[in-house]
Amino acid sequence: DSGVTQTPKHLITATGQRVTLRCSPRSGDLSVYWYQQSLDQGLQFLIQYYNGEERAKGNILERFSAQQFPDLHSELNLSSLELGDSALYFCASSVGGRATDTQYFGPGTRLTVL
Amino acid sequence: DQQVKQNSPSLSVQEGRISILNCDYTNSMFDYFLWYKKYPAEGPTFLISISSIKDKNEDGRFTVFLNKSAKHLSLHIVPSQPGDSAVYFCAAKARYGGSQGNLIFGKGTKLSVKP
Repeated sequence: DSGVTQTPKHLITATGQRVTLRCSPRSGDLSVYWYQQSLDQGLQFLIQYYNGEERAKGNILERFSAQQFPDLHSELNLSSLELGDSALYFCASSVGGRATDTQYFGPGTRLTVL
Repeated sequence: DQQVKQNSPSLSVQEGRISILNCDYTNSMFDYFLWYKKYPAEGPTFLISISSIKDKNEDGRFTVFLNKSAKHLSLHIVPSQPGDSAVYFCAAKARYGGSQGNLIFGKGTKLSVKP
């Protein structure tokens, strides 16, 4: 158990809909990262937050947005969903925002768009 | 354009023998490399890392080797155990680049260790 929790574990929805994925980092960790793992793909970095502020952006679509709240939990919002958005979404956290800080991953949320 | 490549989707090894997982990268800005292990229905778990100032890092049964000139790293597991059966991801980052801290992952190699 990494200490990072993600809800829900599974999510099934229809095209065009909007969903919110939630992540609670390890106690004391200030950084949260979101990754997407599509079929046959490695994990793709989406976005990083550090202590409530956006720190870095990766291959995140404009239909996707995220935020980190004062209690440090984070939410990833996916809107106007398409079939291709079906994937595993992982959240990770680290103690700080340094490049050498180890990232600890949650168990993931499996999103299925029908 | 894949910056981190794991060309072997799968590897099968006998228990007690050595497992060697390979990874190639193309971005010369990468200076920190990591291996993660992933079991089904779980998130990736950090295994071992190496900085570009080293060419070898060892932690118990796990050793990572880095060949900067070839832009190649490998993970050696000796001896291999059935519990090592998992998907192994190679990852890299450029600590001082514009995307500081962003991990770039390979697609993974599925290791099966047979008893």
